[in-house]
Amino acid sequence: AQKITQTQPGMFVQEKEAVTLDCTYDTSDPSYGLFWYKQPSSGEMIFLIYQGSYDQQNATEGRYSLNFQKARKSANLVISASQLGDSAMYFCAMTATNAGGTSYGKLTFGQGTILTVHP
Amino acid sequence: NAGVTQTPKFQVLKTGQSMTLQCAQDMNHNSMYWYRQDPGMGLRLIYYSASEGTTDKGEVPNGYNVSRLNKREFSLRLESAAPSQTSVYFCASGRPQFRAHSSYEQYFGPGTRLTVT
Repeated sequence: AQKITQTQPGMFVQEKEAVTLDCTYDTSDPSYGLFWYKQPSSGEMIFLIYQGSYDQQNATEGRYSLNFQKARKSANLVISASQLGDSAMYFCAMTATNAGGTSYGKLTFGQGTILTVHP
Repeated sequence: NAGVTQTPKFQVLKTGQSMTLQCAQDMNHNSMYWYRQDPGMGLRLIYYSASEGTTDKGEVPNGYNVSRLNKREFSLRLESAAPSQTSVYFCASGRPQFRAHSSYEQYFGPGTRLTVT
């Protein structure tokens, strides 16, 4: 079984500053993938970034980076230079992969963190 | 390119009524999924289909049935709706990725907001 824990119900950040959203996970699977999704108030789920458990380098996508610490079982999302449009709910999720790294994409989600960006 | 589409967007049902939520994707993905999101919570997997012709249970399958009609379409049916099934339902599609290239993505539809009274 997999479990995702997001301990920050809400976070606040000033525009143009960086913010880190915490995510810890628990799994017995030898290989897995970690995701972050953004859910604005409009409700859609927007994919942000993905990290495979065997990836040597931390994933980056524009202003988003994933601080992956395997030994600590953490996969924190770092948003640099926050913008007002970053205000949303953020979900961390994970999926198991087989030994070859193939994922069936069954995601387990955390409860989310609401990020508010102040001007 | 529409991505993942869902119908309807909103639905109100009375307890005991049945309905089918429709989902279609035009990205030629093998895998499709149904999730539900209850207020203040993350998404939970109801059913998934790894490929055309196959379906399997997720974390919360009770009270639901699914049909993978073809590669594009994956429907979710509530045979006898209950108030506990009031939720937002998301359909998603994606494709398996290999370890060498970590760019896996799972695309979500806009969601269906269902209320059961």
